[in-house]
Parts: sequence; C-alpha cells; structure tokens
Amino acid sequence: QSVLTQPPSASGTPGQRVTISCSGSNSNIGSNTVSWYQHLPGTAPKLLIYSDNLRPSGVPDRFFGSKSGTSASLAISGLQSEDEADYFCATWDAGLNGPDYVFGTGTTVT
Amino acid sequence: VQLVESGGGVVQPGGSLRLSCVASGFTFRSYGMHWVRRAPGKGLEWVAFIRYDGSNKYYTESVKGRFTISRDNSKNTLYLEMSSLRAEDTAVYYCAKVQSVEIDYWGQGTLVTVS
Repeated sequence: QSVLTQPPSASGTPGQRVTISCSGSNSNIGSNTVSWYQHLPGTAPKLLIYSDNLRPSGVPDRFFGSKSGTSASLAISGLQSEDEADYFCATWDAGLNGPDYVFGTGTTVT
Repeated sequence: VQLVESGGGVVQPGGSLRLSCVASGFTFRSYGMHWVRRAPGKGLEWVAFIRYDGSNKYYTESVKGRFTISRDNSKNTLYLEMSSLRAEDTAVYYCAKVQSVEIDYWGQGTLVTVS
C-alpha cells in the first residue's frame, strides 16, 4: 500500500485542463522534493517534473508541477490525446527501517 | 543514455533469477540506480536503490532478504539477484538512473513471470 495517495482516474476533453493530486505526509512530501512520471505500460516511464516544479528539457510547458506542505499536484493544460497515460508522483520517504523511494498510487488520465 | 535490461523469464515459485542492466551514454560509476517494477494491473513499485559506489543499498520491505541489488562499475552493469520468488513478484522490472534525486532515465524493462 503506497504512502502517497492519488485519485485513480482523471479525464477531460481535448484542450481542457486536468489536475492530479498527490497526498503524502511529513516524512515524504513534507521533507523531500517530488517528481512526476508518465507511463504507458509496455514502454519506458518518462520524467515529467522534478524538484516539485521543474520540467526536463523537451517536456512541454503544458505540464505544471506544484507542492504545498505534504501535498503535490500535476496540472496538464491543453489536454491532448497523446496525454492518455498513467501518471505517478514519487519522492523519498524516511521509513522506519530506512529510506524508501515511494511512488503514488497512480492516476489514469483519459 | 541507454539502459538495457535482460534476464527476465518464467520461473517457478521459490526459484531464482538474476536481472542485468547494461548502461551506456553516461558515466555509470557517478550515479545511483534503482530497480522499479510494475505488476499487471498495478502501479509503479520501487524495488531497490544502490548508491553510485555501491556503499549503500535500500530495499522495499517485501523483497528484503530475498533480493540483492549490486553493480559492477567496470562493466557499466547493474544487477538484481532475486530468490525465493513469489507469484506477487511477477512484473516488468525496470532499471532507472538517478540524476540527483529524481529518476531521469528508464530502461524498456524485462518481464519476470513467477508461475
């Protein structure tokens, strides 16, 4: 069971804006930076956002990351059909038995 | 940057398997590496991490004592030794390169089926 909670699904029509939330705690989001990954099963996942709100080169500025306290969000504006995929937040967690890299539960965008 | 996994396959419960990941296009010995998996119908799950020099290794609770992550920096290769495999270990396994904290590159994955 992941310690980062995301809504299981989100949907929109082309051109719309979709926002995905990622809820954690002080031991993970509250004390470490958040990354966001896009994944289509059968392919290599792709980094969309790192350090809470930075985009790697080549990622369109339609993708916007933010963080406040123990929650983070990914917004996708100008939704396109190619954005249909699974999205995961991730960060380090100061686990009781040592650090863990944790992924969110994942959100399927339609 | 290229990460190419191999070693997946079908194995019986209780069996063992060794995954390899050959890295190229960057200075392998300078970066930490993860193994991450995705089971059918499930989300991404972190499996293990190893520091750039192999000095620290971390594992998700469910694989502790069964899986071992290692690396050979002279061969630009990352490994995952898996033993006492269970049906719930069935997944596509990805190796992934760490930039500073985030994963910036992923391999295409190798499928492990425990059945």
